[in-house]
Amino acid sequence: DTEVTQTPKHLVMGMTNKKSLKCEQHMGHRAMYWYKQKAKKPPELMFVYSYEKLSINESVPSRFSPECPNSSLLNLHLHALQPEDSALYLCASSQVEVTYEQYFGPGTRLTVT
Amino acid sequence: GIQVEQSPPDLILQEGANSTLRCNFSDSVNNLQWFHQNPWGQLINLFYIPSGTKQNGRLSATTVATERYSLLYISSSQTTDSGVYFCAVVGPDYKLSFGAGTTVTVRA
Repeated sequence: DTEVTQTPKHLVMGMTNKKSLKCEQHMGHRAMYWYKQKAKKPPELMFVYSYEKLSINESVPSRFSPECPNSSLLNLHLHALQPEDSALYLCASSQVEVTYEQYFGPGTRLTVT
Repeated sequence: GIQVEQSPPDLILQEGANSTLRCNFSDSVNNLQWFHQNPWGQLINLFYIPSGTKQNGRLSATTVATERYSLLYISSSQTTDSGVYFCAVVGPDYKLSFGAGTTVTVRA
């Protein structure tokens, strides 16, 4: 099974809302990632977790707060977002090292109003 | 960071045609993947190919790591092949970096 799941598929939120994106994998992978993709652009790395610890934060604004409660789950907590944060948010996972193949979830399409 | 260039940026094909997509990268790589992004945004793994040649049905890929390029071949294209094809590499910074993509449109 090479499936990564993400919920919700779509999310519309106001600038004062707090919401969370969820990602789950059951491939035994110990590295998980959040990417952001704007329309007609490639995905851009936001965060990397390795063995449930944050290993890379690509200078992402603090209104995005990642969390890895266990080896299968990855959350992205959202608060006080701006309209320019509207994008497709993709989760991925891989075996521990980033040199291994990454598998992506279907994404959450976020609209900030 | 590592630079990844894909060409051509856009490709229009008639159904049944063959095509070649190219990915050039600026440094040695530890990982190279080809993805197909469908209209719903799902990134589908096509190949994990840091070096060598692989084939999967009508698709094949070749990476020549010493010359810093990879090629993706699509044969007998079908309308379902439409979408954006991304090349992504892991360079010395140990992050997966994507090229800008090639948008493929296959017409019936």
